[in-house]
Amino acid sequence: NAGVTQTPKFQVLKTGQSMTLQCAQDMNHEYMSWYRQDPGMGLRLIHYSVGAGITDQGEVPNGYNVSRSTTEDFPLRLLSAAPSQTSVYFCASSPGGGAAGYTFGSGTRLTVV
Amino acid sequence: GEDVEQSLFLSVREGDSSVINCTYTDSSSTYLYWYKQEPGAGLQLLTYIFSNMDMKQDQRLTVLLNKKDKHLSLRIADTQTGDSAIYFCAVSGGSYIPTFGRGTSLIVHP
Repeated sequence: NAGVTQTPKFQVLKTGQSMTLQCAQDMNHEYMSWYRQDPGMGLRLIHYSVGAGITDQGEVPNGYNVSRSTTEDFPLRLLSAAPSQTSVYFCASSPGGGAAGYTFGSGTRLTVV
Repeated sequence: GEDVEQSLFLSVREGDSSVINCTYTDSSSTYLYWYKQEPGAGLQLLTYIFSNMDMKQDQRLTVLLNKKDKHLSLRIADTQTGDSAIYFCAVSGGSYIPTFGRGTSLIVHP
């Protein structure tokens, strides 16, 4: 059981480039979320999904797009990378219902130069 | 929206108890969680408490909830060097989308 798999683990982008961070889970979880973690800021929610075909914005959605065409995959797209998007990105999934909490991937460390 | 606050650092001696505190603002929060993050890794769910409970114990971990003061704490008994990590408090309501605190770095020294 792989859990939540994020790729790549590390990425360096130039300002203005675009890229997609991949996230896949094999637990048949309905809920999936993307967070960014910055020093001293904790985890901030970027976008989330409560099921295939359903997405919504979190606290810091600007500059990011998501889609959820299948239950398993929830990619995060950076449209035009900016240095302010340098961060560690975490994908997480949950079956919903609260008690199970979220299972997190191991993260993608992104640097925008 | 929901606001979750934690102190940023806690230093304890090995073998002592650690108490990590958290306050939140939304009185309708239903599930309250503690996550652990080790260096270079994602977050791992340690435990949770439902809002109708005052206390939950799980081996060395004790969670206390004071709903009146909107205060949550995590006590780690007999703290070991392997407990050194960042601990996140998180709360969620009916949407099941948690809001996280900034995390408390627990440093355990011999």
